[in-house]
Amino acid sequence: SYELTQPPSVSVSPGQTATITCSGSNLGDKYASWYQQKPGQSPVLVFYQDDKRPSGIPERFSGSNSGTTATLTISGTQAVDEADYYCQAWESTTAGVFGTGTSVTVL
Amino acid sequence: QLQLQESGPGQVKSSEALSLTCTISGGSITTYGFYWGWIRQPPGKGLEWIGSFYFGRNVFYNPSLKSRVTVSLDTPKNQFSLRLNSVTPADTAVYYCARALSTDYGDNPDAFDIWGQGTLVTVSS
Repeated sequence: SYELTQPPSVSVSPGQTATITCSGSNLGDKYASWYQQKPGQSPVLVFYQDDKRPSGIPERFSGSNSGTTATLTISGTQAVDEADYYCQAWESTTAGVFGTGTSVTVL
Repeated sequence: QLQLQESGPGQVKSSEALSLTCTISGGSITTYGFYWGWIRQPPGKGLEWIGSFYFGRNVFYNPSLKSRVTVSLDTPKNQFSLRLNSVTPADTAVYYCARALSTDYGDNPDAFDIWGQGTLVTVSS
């Protein structure tokens, strides 16, 4: 089965850049989506189709996807960005997969 | 503004069936260009996709759950439902319903852009 692997945790200082990776076979050939989830809340879509940001999501969130790795970048990270982040893709048009998740800590 | 709301029992006994309903408000399950689906999250763990569908087409499921899961639609009520048979404590999770965008004029599912608040289902042994 298709798997998406993320680092368990990422730490970043306020104002610095956080980079979260998501690795999967030929992931660059698919669209990758990214979700932010804070404790006790539903996931929120923060980036999708490799280069789209939903309305209301700050511009400090950006993404890229090439080869086997998709990347979510948070520039000028703020304390409010502390959360779990999940990548997601469709292995085929009928098989959805979520990444293993990354906990982002803003120190 | 479209909203999704999950409903159903919060507790189920092992070997029985889990049944949940997702009610859509502020939009229609028949709207062109959107997929709908179920996702779950065991306590303290990651997200797992369960199944999705596009109105008028077949439902497709996570292969690891396919033998036990059924997703059905109630178009007049603007609802869709999840049934998971033969549950065990490993099925204890927060269950979310969600809407997904699509690409290629509805041919391919894409990101889940709207989520329900989720409902915790505990399976007791």
